[in-house]
Amino acid sequence: DTGVSQNPRHKITKRGQNVTFRCDPISEHNRLYWYRQTLGQGPEFLTYFQNEAQLEKSRLLSDRFSAERPKGSFSTLEIQRTEQGDSAMYLCASSSGTVAYYGYTFGSGTRLTVV
Amino acid sequence: GQNIDQPTEMTATEGAIVQINCTYQTSGFNGLFWYQQHAGEAPTFLSYNVLDGLEEKGRFSSFLSRSKGYSYLLLKELQMKDSASYLCATNRDDKIIFGKGTRLHILP
Repeated sequence: DTGVSQNPRHKITKRGQNVTFRCDPISEHNRLYWYRQTLGQGPEFLTYFQNEAQLEKSRLLSDRFSAERPKGSFSTLEIQRTEQGDSAMYLCASSSGTVAYYGYTFGSGTRLTVV
Repeated sequence: GQNIDQPTEMTATEGAIVQINCTYQTSGFNGLFWYQQHAGEAPTFLSYNVLDGLEEKGRFSSFLSRSKGYSYLLLKELQMKDSASYLCATNRDDKIIFGKGTRLHILP
């Protein structure tokens, strides 16, 4: 078990370009969460999956953002037509069932810089 | 975070004790987490309280009062490695909602 893996660790892109991030959760975890964190703030919830089903999306997730988890294993988060305000750390986390008592296991994150 | 309030920054001295307070909106509450986050790293789980009272885990303790919508994280025998952000978070609808975090600075 290698924990939650996120790729890439860093991404620099030009405004207007599309970017895609990948998250590989802990293998036996059926829930997968995406968060965004900007400097000096706590992580903000974006969306989560139970197996392949996307159960909830935050209103923070504009139409330019889409997330998938096609086989209930890894997940991708795509941002289209990136804007400078999208610069942030994108965190993925996974859990087995409910979050009670043990919370999530987070990945190391993907730091996006839009120039 | 959604109506989660905690101080933005705190400073304490190595070897001392520090208490980080957190207040939250009580409606829809199912439990309270504390996470530690070092600069540039992912948050790591510290504690989870679902019932009132104090839970101790080594140098760290966490307290919860559900009726008051109040929690605190107590750190004893502070070490330099405790310099980090401490995130108060609530379990709502089976997802974790984080506060903005308290940046703790430890002075030698």
